Amino acid sequence: GENVEQHPSTLSVQEGDSAVIKCTYSDSASNYFPWYKQELGKRPQLIIDIRSNVGEKKDQRIAVTLNKTAKHFSLHITETQPEDSAVYFCAEGGATNKLIFGTGTLLAVQP
Amino acid sequence: DTEVTQTPKHLVMGMTNKKSLKCEQHMGHRAMYWYKQKAKKPPELMFVYSYEKLSINESVPSRFSPECPNSSLLNLHLHALQPEDSALYLCASSQEGAGGAGGGEQYFGPGTRLTVT
Repeated sequence: GENVEQHPSTLSVQEGDSAVIKCTYSDSASNYFPWYKQELGKRPQLIIDIRSNVGEKKDQRIAVTLNKTAKHFSLHITETQPEDSAVYFCAEGGATNKLIFGTGTLLAVQP
Repeated sequence: DTEVTQTPKHLVMGMTNKKSLKCEQHMGHRAMYWYKQKAKKPPELMFVYSYEKLSINESVPSRFSPECPNSSLLNLHLHALQPEDSALYLCASSQEGAGGAGGGEQYFGPGTRLTVT
């Protein structure tokens, strides 16, 4: 069935530390893996995505890694800042327009 | 224009009312989506329109009726809702078939906060 597991559900880090959020999916046909950041009361914003032909992608302090064999992908945030505090959702997509979202991770960056 | 807009921002309606949510994008995207999001939960897909035709209906109750008048507009007509339908309703759009994977990047509007009394 369609399912994306996301861990941890909450994550608290000190400013400057790194944060890692992991997702596991079940559909072998999935080939698109975006990450969204949602601040309180705001819209989900796409922050980075990766497609199945790539193992890693980096954009400044944010990176995503994909292991298709193990069916998991991770978001890495380095040098965290208080403004990184938000809920982060992973998602998986395949041949259709449908995205399956993970359950979300509440990241708190303590100053 | 690189934004998805939604109106109204907030809506309070009774269970016997009829109201509509509106969504607009001018990015030339040909896929548009309605999601429902409850507090502390991920967005939950309701409908997908592809080239102005309904392509996915996630078994949504008939009290929610989507409409896509043209490639830039998406409406969600509401009738006889229940209090449990109170949620944030998000619209999103994406290029159709970009990369052949999940319709490509989906961009969300700010949402309509709906309260059913």
